Amino acid sequence: EAGVVQSPRYKIIEKKQPVAFWCNPISGHNTLYWYLQNLGQGPELLIRYENEEAVDDSQLPKDRFSAERLKGVDSTLKIQPAELGDSAVYLCASSWTENTEAFFGQGTRLTVV
Amino acid sequence: DAKTTQPTSMDCAEGRAANLPCNHSTISGNEYVYWYRQIHSQGPQYIIHGLKNNETNEMASLIITEDRKSSTLILPHATLRDTAVYYCIVATDSWGKFQFGAGTQVVVTP
Repeated sequence: EAGVVQSPRYKIIEKKQPVAFWCNPISGHNTLYWYLQNLGQGPELLIRYENEEAVDDSQLPKDRFSAERLKGVDSTLKIQPAELGDSAVYLCASSWTENTEAFFGQGTRLTVV
Repeated sequence: DAKTTQPTSMDCAEGRAANLPCNHSTISGNEYVYWYRQIHSQGPQYIIHGLKNNETNEMASLIITEDRKSSTLILPHATLRDTAVYYCIVATDSWGKFQFGAGTQVVVTP
């Protein structure tokens, strides 16, 4: 079974530029999560999808961050414009439902210079 | 969700059992104890979870005290590949709502 696939693995951009991350969850998983992980800290939830609906986006900074999950499968997370403080690892995870084990991708390491 | 307290780091000799403690004194009756680990440059990996009974799977054992205020994750025979940050999380059965702390950095040495 293929795991959660994220791309790119690494991204370096200049501040004020836009950036997008892509996530392909495990086939059949209805729930998809985006997490932010700063250096030396645990992951923090940004947004959770149930199929194509964002059911928890309370931690997503909506002034510059946006996300979508078209057709309830793949998802993209976008930052526009990026700031220096956005440098972090962005993790995607998926699960069958909200109440089952979540599987994580390897993450995208973003560096904003 | 209840907060947890874990040591910042610990070392373990290869081949020996690694016992990782976690305190969760404010745990509620409907909250589970979950353990994840994160190997360098990878996403977190689920290890095990339990409510009040001890649990064992192919990766580890989870021992929860009778009052449920603390627990211990046991890696029976640590290998170098077990070097990782281990997160103890207390939450209801809604995986999307639990909070990772800073975890315990475990280093397994030869």
